[in-house]
Formats: sequence, C-alpha cells, structure tokens
Amino acid sequence: EDQVTQSPEALRLQEGESSSLNCSYTVSGLRGLFWYRQDPGKGPEFLFTLYSAGEEKEKERLKATLTKKESFLHITAPKPEDSATYLCAVHHGSSNTGKLIFGQGTTLQVKP
Amino acid sequence: KAGVTQTPRYLIKTRGQQVTLSCSPISGHRSVSWYQQTPGQGLQFLFEYFSETQRNKGNFPGRFSGRQFSNSRSEMNVSTLELGDSALYLCASSFGTPAETQYFGPGTRLLVL
Repeated sequence: EDQVTQSPEALRLQEGESSSLNCSYTVSGLRGLFWYRQDPGKGPEFLFTLYSAGEEKEKERLKATLTKKESFLHITAPKPEDSATYLCAVHHGSSNTGKLIFGQGTTLQVKP
Repeated sequence: KAGVTQTPRYLIKTRGQQVTLSCSPISGHRSVSWYQQTPGQGLQFLFEYFSETQRNKGNFPGRFSGRQFSNSRSEMNVSTLELGDSALYLCASSFGTPAETQYFGPGTRLLVL
C-alpha cells in the first residue's frame, strides 16, 4: 500500500538552530514528491517538487533532497516566520491522474 | 497571475443538510482536485476532474460528488451532512499532466452541527 510517513510530528527550534524534517515513502514507482508549507487556517503553499533520486532544490533557508526511500527538508538558521506545518506528498506512482498521497505533516515552531 | 479561489470560505450547516462548494482554478489549468483535511486524518484525496470528466476518485461515500464546467471551474457537493464531515475542504489545480505540481486554494471551512 502506498504510504507517506513524516517525522518528527512536531519540532521546536531556537532561532538560528538548523535541523531537518524527514519524509519516508513507499510507492510503486515514484513519479513526483512535493513539499508544501501550511499556516493555520490556510491552504498549503507550494515549496518544492522533486522527481528523481539525487535531486536537490533550494529556496532561501530551505533545501529539499530526495533519495530512493525518503526526502529531507533541511532548514538552515530558521526564523520565527518559518513556523508552520510542513507537508510532504507523493504522486501515486501507478496513477495517470493527479492524486497525491500526503503525510501527516511536521509542525515546526521557531522561537526567537 | 491570480491563484486558486474557493467560495465560500466558511460554512455552518446542520446534520442532514447538503452543501455545495466552489473552486476556480488558476487560469489555464484544466485539472482540479479536491481534498478533505481533518486533524485526525490529515489531507485525503476526494476526487479529480480534468476537462469536465472525473479522472480519479478517493475512498469517500457517494454522498460526496463533484463536477467541472467547461471553464474548468469545479464544484463539490456533500449531501446528507454528518458531524464527521466537518473539515477544511481544499481544492488544487494544475495543467493536468500526472505528477505535476498542484497549487492549492485557501480552503472552505465547513462546520456541521
């Protein structure tokens, strides 16, 4: 069964304290892995798309990497405004449609 | 470029009623997917429409239905509302190629009393 697991569920960091969020997946042929950020009461905001193992994407303090089994979202020197829930999703490998399978998310809190 | 819009943003209904939610995709996008988000289950796929045809459907009862119009705007309908239908309903749009990035709207918060 296709599954996405994110860890940790919650993470508290001090401002400037770098860390990584993990997304492990089991799908029959990964066709795309997506990272989103979601603020309370809002829709998910797109961050990165990764398609193949070894691929990396960067945006400001965030860097996403992908292996054959998992993806990491590295946060370098986070600021309080980085506090949010980070969602990982994979495209259903055998599907020719837009169905995404989401992990439960990691809620990040960055304290000043 | 305008993002995905959803209306209404908030709804309060009572059990047994029905509700219709609307989603306008990003201009040029032909695929609209709907998701239900709850604290316990997270984001779960409801269905996807592409060029007015339902292309995929998640594991939800038949009370959940949708449609797409020729301008790619989409509606979803929930009939005979239950307390457990209280959730944030999100729609996402893309050009429609599988495994392509989907962009989400702000969601409609539905509360069933």
